[in-house]
Amino acid sequence: DAGITQSPRHKVTETGTPVTLRCHQTENHRYMYWYRQDPGHGLRLIHYSYGVKDTDKGEVSDGYSVSRSKTEDFLLTLESATSSQTSVYFCAISGPSMGSYEQYFGPGTRLTVT
Amino acid sequence: KNEVEQSPQNLTAQEGEFITINCSYSVGISALHWLQQHPGGGIVSLFMLSSGKKKHGRLIATINIQEKHSSLHITASHPRDSAVYICAVGGGETSGSRLTFGEGTQLTVNP
Repeated sequence: DAGITQSPRHKVTETGTPVTLRCHQTENHRYMYWYRQDPGHGLRLIHYSYGVKDTDKGEVSDGYSVSRSKTEDFLLTLESATSSQTSVYFCAISGPSMGSYEQYFGPGTRLTVT
Repeated sequence: KNEVEQSPQNLTAQEGEFITINCSYSVGISALHWLQQHPGGGIVSLFMLSSGKKKHGRLIATINIQEKHSSLHITASHPRDSAVYICAVGGGETSGSRLTFGEGTQLTVNP
């Protein structure tokens, strides 16, 4: 299994509070991604990174920011959480690994905004 | 219309049956991915392919680039195959890039 972890795994927070989710990899992969998964929408890209300090927006980036100061860590920040950001968040990484750019997913973080 | 459409949305089968899940896409792609998500949430990459066919155990994935269509087949299905199967397009074989996902197919295999 690819070495990718997410923290925290579960979080309950109140509307208006800042929240930071962490994705950590031990594979030294160049690409890292943050997705959210919601019923009826499937997985949607929030932000992604193609190198240290190199990031770009995905299709649902409003209300989120990211940072990548080290190859192994990709942080997702909700500056002021809203109930619409209640979701399951997945981090993913991709290589190359064995000549392939398959994406490997972390275990997910379930975030509830009350 | 979504860029990636999967069918069926839900599928129930008896153990041992041959299963096919379909994926159609409307954009040009460099690769197509099949993912599996079990209850409890973990997502696992099954295949990444840009042409032809790939096989891993009882799973077979095919893609027709001209028709913009892919199929995932499961032979001799088993209850442990019960999961959501997700098709995604994007990310190439020579570079990482963003993926666009279908909504998934919920497969239930009964003993």
